[in-house]
Amino acid sequence: GAGVSQSPSNKVTEKGKDVELRCDPISGHTALYWYRQSLGQGLEFLIYFQGNSAPDKSGLPSDRFSAERTGGSVSTLTIQRTQQEDSAVYLCASSSDTSPQNIQYFGAGTRLSVL
Amino acid sequence: SQQGEEDPQALSIQEGENATMNCSYKTSINNLQWYRQNSGRGLVHLILIRSNEREKHSGRLRVTLDTSKKSSSLLITASRAADTASYFCATASHTGRRALTFGSGTRLQVQP
Repeated sequence: GAGVSQSPSNKVTEKGKDVELRCDPISGHTALYWYRQSLGQGLEFLIYFQGNSAPDKSGLPSDRFSAERTGGSVSTLTIQRTQQEDSAVYLCASSSDTSPQNIQYFGAGTRLSVL
Repeated sequence: SQQGEEDPQALSIQEGENATMNCSYKTSINNLQWYRQNSGRGLVHLILIRSNEREKHSGRLRVTLDTSKKSSSLLITASRAADTASYFCATASHTGRRALTFGSGTRLQVQP
C-alpha cells in the first residue's frame, strides 16, 4: 500500500478483555516497529521486527503484551487482560532495511481505551 | 523510556513569526531526526541530521546539532497556521539499535 495502515483506528474495551491491534507496513519494508504514546507524551518503544523475527522486545511492558509478524508483512500486537493503564495510542512504523539513517514511516495509530 | 526532554512543552506564536524548539538527549547518537504529528495522526519525518553535521536546512526548516551538549534545535521560519502540530525529536543510537528514542515533544500553535 501507499502508507502504513493500522486497524482499528479506535478500540474501546473493558478491563480484563484481550485486544488485537493490526499493522500493515509499507510494501517492501522489512523493519516494523510498535510504539505506544500516552496522552500528551512522546513515543515509548515496544518492539522491533526484522522480517518475522523480533530481535528487540525490550520495550514490552509486561508479559501481557505480545506481538507477531507473519510473511514479513502484517503484524499483530496483542494485549491480554487489559488494564486501564494500557489506554494509549499504539503506533506502528516501518522502515527500509537499506536505509542506514532509519527514517521511519508511521501509521495513524490505534487509540485504545480501557474502561 | 524517554531519551530526553524538549522545550518548550508548548509554544504559541503569530503567523509569520519564527518558532524554535529545543531537544536534549542523553546517549551517543548516529543521527537525530525531527518528526511532526498533527492531532490524531501518525508522525511524519521532517529532517535528519547526522552526528558529524552541525547544521542542516530544508525549506523553512533549520536544524542544529551540538553533540558536546547533546542538544538540537529546530527552527521553523515564517510560520503558517498549517504548521500547528506537535514536534518530536528522535535519536538513532550509534550502537545500531534500530528503535528510535523520542523526546516528549513541543506543541506548536500558530495563530492566523
